[in-house]
Amino acid sequence: GQNIDQPTEMTATEGAIVQINCTYQTSGFNGLFWYQQHAGEAPTFLSYNVLDGLEEKGRFSSFLSRSKGYSYLLLKELQMKDSASYLCAVFDSNYQLIWGAGTKLIIKP
Amino acid sequence: GAVVSQHPSWVICKSGTSVKIECRSLDFQATTMFWYRQFPKQSLMLMATSNEGSKATYEQGVEKDKFLINHASLTLSTLTVTSAHPEDSSFYICSARDVGSSYNEQFFGPGTRLTVL
Repeated sequence: GQNIDQPTEMTATEGAIVQINCTYQTSGFNGLFWYQQHAGEAPTFLSYNVLDGLEEKGRFSSFLSRSKGYSYLLLKELQMKDSASYLCAVFDSNYQLIWGAGTKLIIKP
Repeated sequence: GAVVSQHPSWVICKSGTSVKIECRSLDFQATTMFWYRQFPKQSLMLMATSNEGSKATYEQGVEKDKFLINHASLTLSTLTVTSAHPEDSSFYICSARDVGSSYNEQFFGPGTRLTVL
């Protein structure tokens, strides 16, 4: 079956750095997305990786290793507004999006 | 970026009534739209994939006669929850695939919160 694993919840301190991991086993791979979802709102796009390596976008970076079925989202200089759920999703061979359950990130002052 | 709208944003209805939710892609054409449901503190659950001009493809366990999907144009898909019951209360989110984007990205609507009394 297809499966995406990410931690349920993480806590970090304002101004610090946090890394949210995602591992996947899917039938084929056509890219991995990270989305941010604030409570009561729809997800918003953060990043897309299809090749191995690190993609940096401001305070957020996303890493992919296809051979390991592994990705992480790195958030730097954490701000209170970064408190949200972070969803990992993978395009399988049919471009069907397979979703992880999300990681709830709690930022403390 | 591409914009997807949903209407209504929230709706409260009585048990047994039907509710229609609209999903529109405002500045791009979407041959494929997706309908998700999300219960509190849970992840997105794909309900169905809607292709313009053809029947929707429903995920296992989703009743197609209860959740009617119509994708009549390249910018509009509708989800009708028929004979709604309290257990249908949820956050319904649509997304649209922009085939013109570099990686078939899905853009999400703001969601519709349905409460069935």
